[in-house]
Amino acid sequence: QVQLQQSGAELVKPGTSVKLSCKASGYTFTSNHMNWIKQTTGQGLEWIGIINPGSGGTSYNVKFKGKATLTVDKSSSTAFMQLSSLTPEDSAVYYCARAANSGPHDYWGQGVMVTVSS
Amino acid sequence: DIQMTQSPSFLSASVGERVTLSCKASQNINKYLDWYQQKLGEAPKLLIYNTNNLHTGIPSRFSGSGSGTDYTLTISSLQPEDVATYFCLQRNSWPWTFGGGTKLELK
Repeated sequence: QVQLQQSGAELVKPGTSVKLSCKASGYTFTSNHMNWIKQTTGQGLEWIGIINPGSGGTSYNVKFKGKATLTVDKSSSTAFMQLSSLTPEDSAVYYCARAANSGPHDYWGQGVMVTVSS
Repeated sequence: DIQMTQSPSFLSASVGERVTLSCKASQNINKYLDWYQQKLGEAPKLLIYNTNNLHTGIPSRFSGSGSGTDYTLTISSLQPEDVATYFCLQRNSWPWTFGGGTKLELK
């Protein structure tokens, strides 16, 4: 069965960076794009961007360009998202979600809470 | 960016009742509209994609319809396990955007 296992909660200081991981199993990692989504109480759900694990090609929401960097490691079937220059506004739950071949986010990771605080 | 507006924000209904949730886009999204269910403390789960296609394993009491800018999720007979927040997502044009959600509770 398809599973996306995300890394654990992070407590990080303002101005630093954090790298989140999403390990895929139960399917061929390079066959499906991977999305990343941010969820906060105030802003709701926001789509950050998408990566093609086969080619490494990416597309970003303009709002997150310069903030998020998406990469993959095909050898470990793991997708990564690095968030840089963190501020308290980056505190949120972040999800990875597989894109089905027809497009929708058909499987989601369990989410990881990132807290930015000094 | 395409704005997605869901209504109502909050809905209280009884078990067995027919429930209709609405999602309105700020421009035509050509039926690239998905519905997700999120229970408290869990990740969202795909219910319906491309307006009216039921995702694998989703009960048939869930259905979707719509076109252009107006879309609807219907639960034909509300069950206790349907208590959740429901989100719509448009994938017609980047950046993909979510609605603000409808929180569904039991009366």
